[in-house]
Amino acid sequence: AQSVTQLDSQVPVFEEAPVELRCNYSSSVSVYLFWYVQYPNQGLQLLLKYLSGSTLVKGINGFEAEFNKSQTSFHLRKPSVHISDTAEYFCASGEPTGGGNKLTFGTGTQLKVEL
Amino acid sequence: NAGVTQTPKFQVLKTGQSMTLQCAQDMNHNSMYWYRQDPGMGLRLIYYSASEGTTDKGEVPNGYNVSRLNKREFSLRLESAAPSQTSVYFCANRATNYGYTFGSGTRLTVV
Repeated sequence: AQSVTQLDSQVPVFEEAPVELRCNYSSSVSVYLFWYVQYPNQGLQLLLKYLSGSTLVKGINGFEAEFNKSQTSFHLRKPSVHISDTAEYFCASGEPTGGGNKLTFGTGTQLKVEL
Repeated sequence: NAGVTQTPKFQVLKTGQSMTLQCAQDMNHNSMYWYRQDPGMGLRLIYYSASEGTTDKGEVPNGYNVSRLNKREFSLRLESAAPSQTSVYFCANRATNYGYTFGSGTRLTVV
């Protein structure tokens, strides 16, 4: 069974500072990985996804993530955050075949950007 | 082009009442999912449907039933609501390139 661990429930950061949101996964098979963002009272929006190929994945709004198979990690980074990045971020994993291709989510990281 | 549409957006139920949460897609994808979101627990899968006419249990199916009568619609039913089912419910579908699209959610309160 898959599991996803987001190591930080809350991350405060000042505007224009860099940020890293950590995500570790466990899976006995190959895995697809995703980062989603949720703004208050809204649904989930895809930031980026890793299916195969280059381990550095670039997404929307200046975010990027790096797939590290040896460390089973998929950390999300942004070099300079903005107030508008304040939101909750979810890491998720999915198996490429079988099992309905369902997503397993982490518990989320609340990013709070302060002036 | 709305993508995934959920109704209602808000609902308050009394314990023991029943209701159906509706989800419809206009994206012609086979796979659809129902998740619930609770504080500090992320999203947990309730049921999913890999294709029209098929459904399977997810991580937290107890107290729920689903119906996938056609490709477009995937409904979630609470037969006898309990306070533990107070949550935000999200419907989603999946494209062949593993692009998942989520609806805007239904906020359900059971009192």
